[in-house]
Amino acid sequence: AQSVTQPDIHITVSEGASLELRCNYSYGATPYLFWYVQSPGQGLQLLLKYFSGDTLVQGIKGFEAEFKRSQSSFNLRKPSVHWSDAAEYFCAVGASGTYKYIFGTGTRLKVLA
Amino acid sequence: EAGVAQSPRYKIIEKRQSVAFWCNPISGHATLYWYQQILGQGPKLLIQFQNNGVVDDSQLPKDRFSAERLKGVDSTLKIQPAKLEDSAVYLCASRVAGGTKNIQYFGAGTRLSVL
Repeated sequence: AQSVTQPDIHITVSEGASLELRCNYSYGATPYLFWYVQSPGQGLQLLLKYFSGDTLVQGIKGFEAEFKRSQSSFNLRKPSVHWSDAAEYFCAVGASGTYKYIFGTGTRLKVLA
Repeated sequence: EAGVAQSPRYKIIEKRQSVAFWCNPISGHATLYWYQQILGQGPKLLIQFQNNGVVDDSQLPKDRFSAERLKGVDSTLKIQPAKLEDSAVYLCASRVAGGTKNIQYFGAGTRLSVL
């Protein structure tokens, strides 16, 4: 069965520090992978996606993620965090064909000034 | 381009009352999804429409939840009667067939509190 695990419920970093949010998935075939961000009271905004090809994908707001098939991971990174990045981040796997998403439980990011 | 519109943004009801949520997807998006997001959890798919037909409603508690998309455009999700555990954010998303493949675009959601 498909599943997504985000091991870190909360992460706190200082502004300007680097960030890595972890995501592990379980899926039988090559998955479609996504990272979404949700600010308080808002819907989900797509940060980046992986469908195929280059395993390092660039997204909006300076985020990037790397697909590692051998580790079943799709970790999100940012070299220097801004206070406005404080939000909840969700990793999702999408099934080809049905286009259904399975979401992880999310990682809440706090940024210290 | 207008995004996915949802209303109301907030709703407070007492248990056993009924409630309805409305969603208008991005123009031209044939696929529409309703998700339930309980506090501290990721969104969970309730129902998926392709035009005005149901593709997947396996996770919809059909004894109390119903949804329709009569003309293949906007959609309503109803809960009747509501239970305390229905307190959540209800998100609507839409996707265009083909093109950008599997990308879903989300509305801001409706936050439901059941007292």
